[in-house]
Amino acid sequence: DTGVSQDPRHKITKRGQNVTFRCDPISEHNRLYWYRQTLGQGPEFLTYFQNEAQLEKSRLLSDRFSAERPKGSFSTLEIQRTEQGDSAMYLCASRPSGGANYGYTFGSGTRLTVV
Amino acid sequence: DAKTTQPNSMESNEEEPVHLPCNHSTISGTDYIHWYRQLPSQGPEYVIHGLTSNVNNRMASLAIAEDRKSSTLILHRATLRDAAVYYCILISGDKLTFGTGTRLAVRP
Repeated sequence: DTGVSQDPRHKITKRGQNVTFRCDPISEHNRLYWYRQTLGQGPEFLTYFQNEAQLEKSRLLSDRFSAERPKGSFSTLEIQRTEQGDSAMYLCASRPSGGANYGYTFGSGTRLTVV
Repeated sequence: DAKTTQPNSMESNEEEPVHLPCNHSTISGTDYIHWYRQLPSQGPEYVIHGLTSNVNNRMASLAIAEDRKSSTLILHRATLRDAAVYYCILISGDKLTFGTGTRLAVRP
């Protein structure tokens, strides 16, 4: 297994454009998480899925953000009408379900720059 | 999930042991103690986790106080590649809640 993959690694976009990021979790992990990290801060939770069901969304996830996980495999995070404040590292993580006795595996992230 | 307190930064010499402390006085009986580290420009990396007993793996050891109100991550021989931000996180539910962690610098 190659771990959690995120694509692209870097994205530069103009303000007002839409962007979409992809995350491929470890295949046997049915939990998938999205986090956002700005410079000097720890990652902040955005949302998570168990299989294809989106179970929780943070208040940070405004209506310009949408996440999907069709068929419970890969996930996409879309940001519509990007703003400069959306510039951050977007991280994806996965783990098996079954409680807190499992470690989380993170991807390398997608760094978004909105100009 | 309960809150943790960690020093903002620590320094160590290469090839010496490092003890990274974490206080969690409001820990509940169902909270696991997780440690992650993050190297520059990378996603967080799982290091170790435990509930009540001390734990060892190939990366580190986790020493948990008897009352569980504090824990210590032990790197037995620091290398330059161990320079990172180390996060101590309590979790009993479904998501990790990160603080600002401890930035570890390793001197050659």
